[in-house]
Amino acid sequence: AQTVTQSQPEMSVQEAETVTLSCTYDTSENNYYLFWYKQPPSRQMILVIRQEAYKQQNATENRFSVNFQKAAKSFSLKISDSQLGDTAMYFCAFMKQIQGAQKLVFGQGTRLTINP
Amino acid sequence: SAVISQKPSRDICQRGTSLTIQCQVDSQVTMMFWYRQQPGQSLTLIATANQGSEATYESGFVIDKFPISRPNLTFSTLTVSNMSPEDSSIYLCSVEARRGYTFGSGTRLTVV
Repeated sequence: AQTVTQSQPEMSVQEAETVTLSCTYDTSENNYYLFWYKQPPSRQMILVIRQEAYKQQNATENRFSVNFQKAAKSFSLKISDSQLGDTAMYFCAFMKQIQGAQKLVFGQGTRLTINP
Repeated sequence: SAVISQKPSRDICQRGTSLTIQCQVDSQVTMMFWYRQQPGQSLTLIATANQGSEATYESGFVIDKFPISRPNLTFSTLTVSNMSPEDSSIYLCSVEARRGYTFGSGTRLTVV
C-alpha cells in the first residue's frame, strides 16, 4: 500500500521568509508521480508543482521548488519569499498508474500561515 | 487545462434524504474521480468513474451509499444517499489534466 506522511500539521512564518514543508511516502514502485496541492479557504484545490520519479532534477515553479530524494522517499516543498496569499492547507500527493488504473493518495496536510 | 464546474457549492440537508452533486468538464475525459474531505481532514478517494462502465469504488465506499453516473465523457454525478450527520463533508470531483489533476470547487454538505 502507498502511504503519504506530512509530519507538520501546522507551520507559521513571516512574510518574505522561506519555508519548507516536509513529505515522505512509502512505495515499492519505481515509476510514479508526486504532487503538491494548495487548498486556500475557498477550498479550491490548486496544483502547485509536480515531480516525475524518473527525473533526477528537482521541479521548480517560480517561488516554489521541491527537494526530491528518491532513495529516502522524501519530497519537500520550499516556498521562497513567502506571500500572504500563500496562506493555505498544503497537501502532498502520490500517484501511481498501473494497468490503466490511477489513484491519487494524499497526505494529511500542513496548514501554513504567512504572517504580515 | 480542463475546467470543471461543480454544483451545488453547498447544501444543508435533512438526515435520511439524498443529494446529487454534478460535475461538468469543458473537455472530454476518460476518467473522473470523486473525493470526500471530512472536516479538518485530507482527501479520500471514493470512486473512479469511467464512461460506459460501472464506477470502481475504494475500500469503505459502496455503490448503494454513493451511486455514480457517467452518461458521457464530460459529465458525472455523485449521489450521497440516506444521509446521516457523518456524511457532512466536502465532496470534490477531479479529472486528469496536462500537468496533474484538476479539481472542481467542491460541494460543502452539512447534514442536520
